[in-house]
Amino acid sequence: GAGVSQSPSNKVTEKGKDVELRCDPISGHTALYWYRQSLGQGLEFLIYFQGNSAPDKSGLPSDRFSAERTGGSVSTLTIQRTQQEDSAVYLCASSLDGNRYGYTFGSGTRLTVV
Amino acid sequence: DAKTTQPNSMESNEEEPVHLPCNHSTISGTDYIHWYRQLPSQGPEYVIHGLTSNVNNRMASLAIAEDRKSSTLILHRATLRDAAVYYCILRDHSGGGTSYGKLTFGQGTILTVHP
Repeated sequence: GAGVSQSPSNKVTEKGKDVELRCDPISGHTALYWYRQSLGQGLEFLIYFQGNSAPDKSGLPSDRFSAERTGGSVSTLTIQRTQQEDSAVYLCASSLDGNRYGYTFGSGTRLTVV
Repeated sequence: DAKTTQPNSMESNEEEPVHLPCNHSTISGTDYIHWYRQLPSQGPEYVIHGLTSNVNNRMASLAIAEDRKSSTLILHRATLRDAAVYYCILRDHSGGGTSYGKLTFGQGTILTVHP
């Protein structure tokens, strides 16, 4: 597609449930990032994938958070046993090589944990 | 990671130029200067980036100080659609630094454009 696609655009879940958020990056982009943004706050880095290298997971806030990137394309961010503090907009971005080029962000998934 | 300092907010009038400053006194030789903006209720949008020379594109210009310790994003004619949070970010392109590969967003500058 022309841009980074994220689904769902909105997700309401009950506390304690697991959720999966999906990101379809721009075709050919080798670098993929997940960020989250709580209401009125800045962007918080979560995880970074670059080609076949081991992902940089340094931003994941707890072991309830995990992410995969299959076949170097689609990525899924999974949050287990969701908590209310997980409520935020989760943003995915991709870049041609994660180095010299800018990032293109998706519109995000707004997660609300009730 | 080398940090940037930006004013919390700035205001401009429509159709006037806007100069958004950014200080990065601890910049390293392999850090590129990136600018992104985030419009209300949207994800961030890439604006421009550069290393040493001034850069121009269809959205903006980037003026980089000779010592690289500061830079200025220039919007030549502000429109109401330019109202956003503008982020100045340093990104290590060497492949060896700890910031390699990821953008670290600060609080940015909230730009208000008056009609």
